[in-house]
Amino acid sequence: QVQLQESGPGLVKPSETLSLTCTVSGESINNYYWSWIRKPAGKGLEWIGRIHGSGSANFSPSLKSRVTMSVDTSRNQLSLKLTSVTAADTAVYFCARNRGSRGYLESWGQGTLVIASS
Amino acid sequence: EIVLTQSPDTLSLSPGERATISCRASQSVTNTYLAWYQQKTGQPPRLLMYDTSIRAGGNPDRFRGSGSGTDFTLTISSLEPEDFAVYFCQQYGTSPVTFGGGTKVEIK
Repeated sequence: QVQLQESGPGLVKPSETLSLTCTVSGESINNYYWSWIRKPAGKGLEWIGRIHGSGSANFSPSLKSRVTMSVDTSRNQLSLKLTSVTAADTAVYFCARNRGSRGYLESWGQGTLVIASS
Repeated sequence: EIVLTQSPDTLSLSPGERATISCRASQSVTNTYLAWYQQKTGQPPRLLMYDTSIRAGGNPDRFRGSGSGTDFTLTISSLEPEDFAVYFCQQYGTSPVTFGGGTKVEIK
């Protein structure tokens, strides 16, 4: 059974870059699509983007200019970088596995809280 | 992008009662590519339904999804104690993928 675990700094200063890693176990990342989603407190879920194990990715238009995603197949990890953060980027960030090439998400990590504050 | 509006925001019901959650899309959802997730406090969302009406593995048959076009519904036929949670809809037929704002099902 696949397991996903997000990790990274819980506090990021405004204007700096948020960097998170998702470590996947129980399954190779090579053949799947993997998504990043975030949930601000009291709000709904927001899709950030997705990346295939081959490295091809697509992003939410609202975040595209600030987002980078990558894969490290040797470590079976995904990474997310979000530049120029503001308080509006404060949220719980999740990584999740897509069902095949489909857009729905069948396995999720526990999530990690990132607070953008000085 | 497609905006999904869920209603009500909160549903206060007793165990054994029927829950009906609505998810309305700002435009037609392609191929009825709509999913539902359940999220409990401190946990990640869990996939309940996909393609509008297919239950994800392990989910009990008291959960039923229906709908087409712009109107979709998640029905829980008889609430069990473990069903009190927040429910989100998601459309994945048109990029970008979007989610509804969530409906909290709470114990009355």
